[in-house]
Amino acid sequence: EDQVTQSPEALRLQEGESSSLNCSYTVSGLRGLFWYRQDPGKGPEFLFTLYSAGEEKEKERLKATLTKKESFLHITAPKPEDSATYLCAVYTGGFKTIFGAGTRLFVKA
Amino acid sequence: EPEVTQTPSHQVTQMGQEVILRCVPISNHLYFYWYRQILGQKVEFLVSFYNNEISEKSEIFDDQFSVERPDGSNFTLKIRSTKLEDSAMYFCASRGLRGGNEQFFGPGTRLTVL
Repeated sequence: EDQVTQSPEALRLQEGESSSLNCSYTVSGLRGLFWYRQDPGKGPEFLFTLYSAGEEKEKERLKATLTKKESFLHITAPKPEDSATYLCAVYTGGFKTIFGAGTRLFVKA
Repeated sequence: EPEVTQTPSHQVTQMGQEVILRCVPISNHLYFYWYRQILGQKVEFLVSFYNNEISEKSEIFDDQFSVERPDGSNFTLKIRSTKLEDSAMYFCASRGLRGGNEQFFGPGTRLTVL
């Protein structure tokens, strides 16, 4: 069965304290891995798509990387406005996308 | 920048009533999706829709649910007889034919079944 697991469930950082979020997946035929940001009561906001092992994408303080079994979202020198839930999702080439449970990030000033 | 819109933002209904949730996908997108998120839980896939038909649906999407694209711009989710456990945020998403496989989400409709 296709599965997506994110860790940690929650992460508390001080402003400027860099860290990484993990997304491990077990799927048959990965066609894409997505990272989304979700603020409370809002819809997921698209951040990145990764397609193959070794691929990296960057946007401001965020950098996403992909291996054959997991993806990392690295956050460099986070600010309080980076506080949100970060969702990982995998697309297996059918018309279905499977989401992980997310990592809730809290960045304190 | 184009975005997915959803109406209403909040719907309150009595158990057993029918509800229709509405979405306007991004205008040149061809793939449409509905997801739900029960409070505090993960985003769950319900159904995908392409070329005027359902392309895939999850176990959650039973006979009480239906989707329709009644015109060139709207995409709707109907729940025929709501249950208490249908209370959740419902998100619509759309994807273009070109580019990556990423889906763009609307702001959601909060459905409360009393």
